[in-house]
Amino acid sequence: DAMVIQNPRYQVTQFGKPVTLSCSQTLNHNVMYWYQQKSSQAPKLLFHYYDKDFNNEADTPDNFQSRRPNTSFCFLDIRSPGLGDAAMYLCATSRDRGMTYEQYFGPGTRLTVT
Amino acid sequence: AQKITQTQPGMFVQEKEAVTLDCTYDTSDPSYGLFWYKQPSSGEMIFLIYQGSYDQQNATEGRYSLNFQKARKSANLVISASQLGDSAMYFCAMREGRDNNNDMRFGAGTRLTVKP
Repeated sequence: DAMVIQNPRYQVTQFGKPVTLSCSQTLNHNVMYWYQQKSSQAPKLLFHYYDKDFNNEADTPDNFQSRRPNTSFCFLDIRSPGLGDAAMYLCATSRDRGMTYEQYFGPGTRLTVT
Repeated sequence: AQKITQTQPGMFVQEKEAVTLDCTYDTSDPSYGLFWYKQPSSGEMIFLIYQGSYDQQNATEGRYSLNFQKARKSANLVISASQLGDSAMYFCAMREGRDNNNDMRFGAGTRLTVKP
């Protein structure tokens, strides 16, 4: 089945130690998104790629970076994780960016910072 | 700026009964899309149903229907014949249409618990 895959499902990192979360998709969608979701809150968009074009949200900290080497893969890099970065990180894809296109989400990576 | 409001932090429903989850939105764009997602405890967001601002009829998908009242700017989700597996967080979301570089914005969510 076509899907959005996130690895790992659970990640533990130390304060200040760089960490990379990965997302892959078999849907061949043009758009890939990264969201941060803290407990009992709505997902917060960090950034998205439309094909190779990177679109950063204005309030996304510089500590968060992303790479999309090809259509299928997208990575979230946290350069120096702080305790406040502990959250669920959700990857999503969309065929396009128009208002009619739903987003398909992966299962998420739960990040713990010790 | 667009805004999504879900006023019910938590809802309870008896198994096999229907439940309505409220969502209101605010936008000045005449073109927009409204979405509902389900998030079980496992974490994955599951797309349930879509309603376009110009759609004449309320959207339905199986046991899910959307009660779209455009003048009131509300898009309530109705789940009929609730099942235990419906227990989850439910998020209402919107995308505006005026600009293709638009983002999906989510409400705060409603936690639904289905009681046996």
